[in-house]
Amino acid sequence: DGGITQSPKYLFRKEGQNVTLSCEQNLNHDAMYWYRQDPGQGLRLIYYSQIVNDFQKGDIAEGYSVSREKKESFPLTVTSAQKNPTAFYLCASRERDRDDTGELFFGEGSRLTVL
Amino acid sequence: AQSVTQLDSHVSVSEGTPVLLRCNYSSSYSPSLFWYVQHPNKGLQLLLKYTSAATLVKGINGFEAEFKKSETSFHLTKPSAHMSDAAEYFCVVSDGGRRALTFGSGTRLQVQP
Repeated sequence: DGGITQSPKYLFRKEGQNVTLSCEQNLNHDAMYWYRQDPGQGLRLIYYSQIVNDFQKGDIAEGYSVSREKKESFPLTVTSAQKNPTAFYLCASRERDRDDTGELFFGEGSRLTVL
Repeated sequence: AQSVTQLDSHVSVSEGTPVLLRCNYSSSYSPSLFWYVQHPNKGLQLLLKYTSAATLVKGINGFEAEFKKSETSFHLTKPSAHMSDAAEYFCVVSDGGRRALTFGSGTRLQVQP
């Protein structure tokens, strides 16, 4: 079945450590996205990529980094510079379309807790 | 930039009664609008989308939404709530300039037996 796989589902980190969240899709989508979800704040865009080897900062990119070396993969690294990293992280993808009507497909999310 | 406001953070209804979740948007051009649903600790699933065709949009699980340009609204409705509808619902607007979507803060729907 086609879809988006995020791993790990749960992750614990000590302060000062970098962690990388994996996102893999087999939908053949060009565009991929990372969102952060906090209670009562909806989803906020961290980074997005419209094509391989290219990505753009979203609204809250500070303290995060990404890469897009392969079409199917868009890993997110939460660095020690991110002051409040405890959150639920969602990866999504969609076809790159001219009129911006495409549906986002989401993974099941990764919950990061900083101890 | 586009934005979306969900007017209620929590809505509680009884099973079998109508559901209304309210959403207003702001856009400098004709946007695409979406409603997504999220069950606890899960990803999001598309309920329906508006893309400048019919203003009344029907989605999955009996939900529908009406695009009203004059009111800049895109409210989500369902005639009769079911216990399985209890979840968080997000109104979303397209941001054509950067090809990303902007999410509202969400409305948590509770369904009482």
